[in-house]
Amino acid sequence: DQQVKQNSPSLSVQEGRISILNCDYTNSMFDYFLWYKKYPAEGPTFLISISSIKDKNEDGRFTVFLNKSAKHLSLHIVPSQPGDSAVYFCAASAQGEYGNKLVFGAGTILRVKS
Amino acid sequence: DAGVIQSPRHEVTEMGQEVTLRCKPISGHNSLFWYRQTMMRGLELLIYFNNNVPIDDSGMPEDRFSAKMPNASFSTLKIQPSEPRDSAVYFCASSLMAAGELFFGEGSRLTVL
Repeated sequence: DQQVKQNSPSLSVQEGRISILNCDYTNSMFDYFLWYKKYPAEGPTFLISISSIKDKNEDGRFTVFLNKSAKHLSLHIVPSQPGDSAVYFCAASAQGEYGNKLVFGAGTILRVKS
Repeated sequence: DAGVIQSPRHEVTEMGQEVTLRCKPISGHNSLFWYRQTMMRGLELLIYFNNNVPIDDSGMPEDRFSAKMPNASFSTLKIQPSEPRDSAVYFCASSLMAAGELFFGEGSRLTVL
């Protein structure tokens, strides 16, 4: 039972264009969402996050949008660069007594072509 | 500052052998997580600790898997006996309990023949 789903295993985008990565979740208790980026042979690194009290968070070329009613979030990268080619993981958590346990999606491989 | 340190980076072993993976979290972090990455399931949470105490081990596949955190600066994940389906990359991550961001190590790639 996957609580966080990334339905697109891969995405290919031309350099300079917009990349849109999507994520759906099923657990209505989730109140904090994150995106991680992973290069081969490295651990995932934090990219951007959003709290459920917001619907948008922007950091440079990266913007995350949250639609709570649809239980959907997306990551926009504009403009896309070849160095953005990586696996992107969506993650979600619910505030609990023992802190944040992140639940990850399966990941989307982004390829930015130059 | 040193990040999360995992060892070994690569492990190749034969079915039935014991495997021990090690993790040193970031100093000052009080939460530690073990994840497994596979092509089919992405990043799965196996177990996590708060203040060295196991909080949730519901993701541990079966009794062959065990994890310990004897002190705030060290944790192990043990598989005994190992099986080919255990082949994956195992990540350790740490965080401050109240924070949302996890910091990951570089992972231990396990191959069981």
